[in-house]
Amino acid sequence: GEDVEQSLFLSVREGDSSVINCTYTDSSSTYLYWYKQEPGAGLQLLTYIFSNMDMKQDQRLTVLLNKKDKHLSLRIADTQTGDSAIYFCAETSNTGKLIFGQGTTLQVKP
Amino acid sequence: DTGVSQDPRHKITKRGQNVTFRCDPISEHNRLYWYRQTLGQGPEFLTYFQNEAQLEKSRLLSDRFSAERPKGSFSTLEIQRTEQGDSAMYLCASSLELPGHTIYFGEGSWLTVV
Repeated sequence: GEDVEQSLFLSVREGDSSVINCTYTDSSSTYLYWYKQEPGAGLQLLTYIFSNMDMKQDQRLTVLLNKKDKHLSLRIADTQTGDSAIYFCAETSNTGKLIFGQGTTLQVKP
Repeated sequence: DTGVSQDPRHKITKRGQNVTFRCDPISEHNRLYWYRQTLGQGPEFLTYFQNEAQLEKSRLLSDRFSAERPKGSFSTLEIQRTEQGDSAMYLCASSLELPGHTIYFGEGSWLTVV
């Protein structure tokens, strides 16, 4: 079946790097996504990676994909207080819909 | 283009009443999705349309829920005889039907059933 797991909470100091981890089950997922959600708001797409890639970098964001272990991570360099939010990992099902994890709350301490 | 638009943003209703949410997708996006999100959880898939056809429905979508997309543009999600357990944020999203399509979300419609 389709399932996405994330750790629930991460706390870092401003300026440090944050690494948010995710595991997924559907090996046929062609795309994997990271979304950010601030309190009371919708989901903002941060980045995505094709399943045939190992890494994707986009400014302060680095996505690493280990397809063998079905493990995805999001690294945020130089984390800022504005990065405090909930981060969702999502995989695509074979019908194209997104299956989300339960979200990781990132707390950035000044 | 202003992105995916949802209305109303907030709705408080009494148990047993019917509510309807509207979603206007990004223009030219032929796929439209509805998700539900409760506090502390990730969004859960409810249903999606490709143009006006409803292609997939989740088991979460009980017979009190109905979604339509009559002209393949905007969509409505109606909840009949609301229950307190329906209190959640209802998220709409849209995308093109292409390989590597990116799914864009609206700001959500908050429902509180009292």
